[in-house]
Amino acid sequence: GEDVEQSLFLSVREGDSSVINCTYTDSSSTYLYWYKQEPGAGLQLLTYIFSNMDMKQDQRLTVLLNKKDKHLSLRIADTQTGDSAIYFCAEREDSSYKLIFGSGTRLLVRP
Amino acid sequence: DTGVSQNPRHKITKRGQNVTFRCDPISEHNRLYWYRQTLGQGPEFLTYFQNEAQLEKSRLLSDRFSAERPKGSFSTLEIQRTEQGDSAMYLCASSSELSTEAFFGQGTRLTVV
Repeated sequence: GEDVEQSLFLSVREGDSSVINCTYTDSSSTYLYWYKQEPGAGLQLLTYIFSNMDMKQDQRLTVLLNKKDKHLSLRIADTQTGDSAIYFCAEREDSSYKLIFGSGTRLLVRP
Repeated sequence: DTGVSQNPRHKITKRGQNVTFRCDPISEHNRLYWYRQTLGQGPEFLTYFQNEAQLEKSRLLSDRFSAERPKGSFSTLEIQRTEQGDSAMYLCASSSELSTEAFFGQGTRLTVV
């Protein structure tokens, strides 16, 4: 079945790096995504990675994909207080293009 | 184009009433999705349109729920005889056939009292 799992909570100090982890089950997923959600708001697409890639870097964000272990991570360098939010990973089901989301990781950045 | 637009942003309704939400996708996007998000959870897929055709419906979408996209542009999601368990954030997303990215609206938060 489809299941995406994330740890619930992460707390880091401002300026440190944050690493948010995710595991997924559908090995056929072509694309994997990271979204950010601030309180009371919709989801903001941060980045995505194609399944034949191991790594993708976009400014302060680095996505690592271990397809063998079905493990995805998002690293945020120089974490700022404005990065405090809930981060969702999602896999895309290729037949319908729908997204299967994890439960989200709440990132708290301490000053 | 300012992105995916959803109206209303908030809706409070009494149990048993009908409610309708609207989603205006990004103009060139032919795919439109509805998701439901409850507190502390990630969004769950409800249904998906390609142009005006509704191609998939989740088992979460009971017969009290109906979604339409009559001209392949905006979409409506109607919930009949609302129940307290329907209280959630209803999110709409759209994507282009040529793109891998799906963009979400700000959501409609429904509270059933």
